Amino acid sequence: SQQGEEDPQALSIQEGENATMNCSYKTSINNLQWYRQNSGRGLVHLILIRSNEREKHSGRLRVTLDTSKKSSSLLITASRAADTASYFCATERMDSSYKLIFGSGTRLLVRP
Amino acid sequence: GAVVSQHPSWVICKSGTSVKIECRSLDFQATTMFWYRQFPKQSLMLMATSNEGSKATYEQGVEKDKFLINHASLTLSTLTVTSAHPEDSSFYICSARVSGLAGEQYFGPGTRLTVT
Repeated sequence: SQQGEEDPQALSIQEGENATMNCSYKTSINNLQWYRQNSGRGLVHLILIRSNEREKHSGRLRVTLDTSKKSSSLLITASRAADTASYFCATERMDSSYKLIFGSGTRLLVRP
Repeated sequence: GAVVSQHPSWVICKSGTSVKIECRSLDFQATTMFWYRQFPKQSLMLMATSNEGSKATYEQGVEKDKFLINHASLTLSTLTVTSAHPEDSSFYICSARVSGLAGEQYFGPGTRLTVT
């Protein structure tokens, strides 16, 4: 399959709680990116982590990358109802194609 | 900066007709653009890579004669769905890559195609 895997497929939490999503991939990568998509809309780029980085922060977002396990996690702290969306990881292949291969996605619901 | 637009945002067409979707990078040049398809509640599937001035490269299983891609300038790529059928109904999204070793891809807002 072209896609990577994400878990959980769906996550429902209370506002203020933290949300953690995991992503696994199959090939060697240049970087891994996380995107957010509101229902029926385009994608919003959240954060990019390079293959030689292990952790990166951006506001309430924290991303980790473990290339030995071919996995990444996205942590959203102090969640808000407005964080409700689908979240996708995408890996850029380690070749010159610059192709992004998307994970299956996690649907996050933050209850007010 | 780094805005990508798509036109139209939605289109309804009859089976057998062709539909053209435009993808533009508004404030940067993109030598490489990508086309994705997304079915409801599913992830994005890469269809093809569009390279300015050369032929597009298609992913396995994507019919190049059905999904015609043209990348005539550094800011515009077009996807034409030829002889559309109801199973082609989907959300089509383009992206443009910012040049550089660790370039981010910026996505258009998507085009909802419904074939009746």
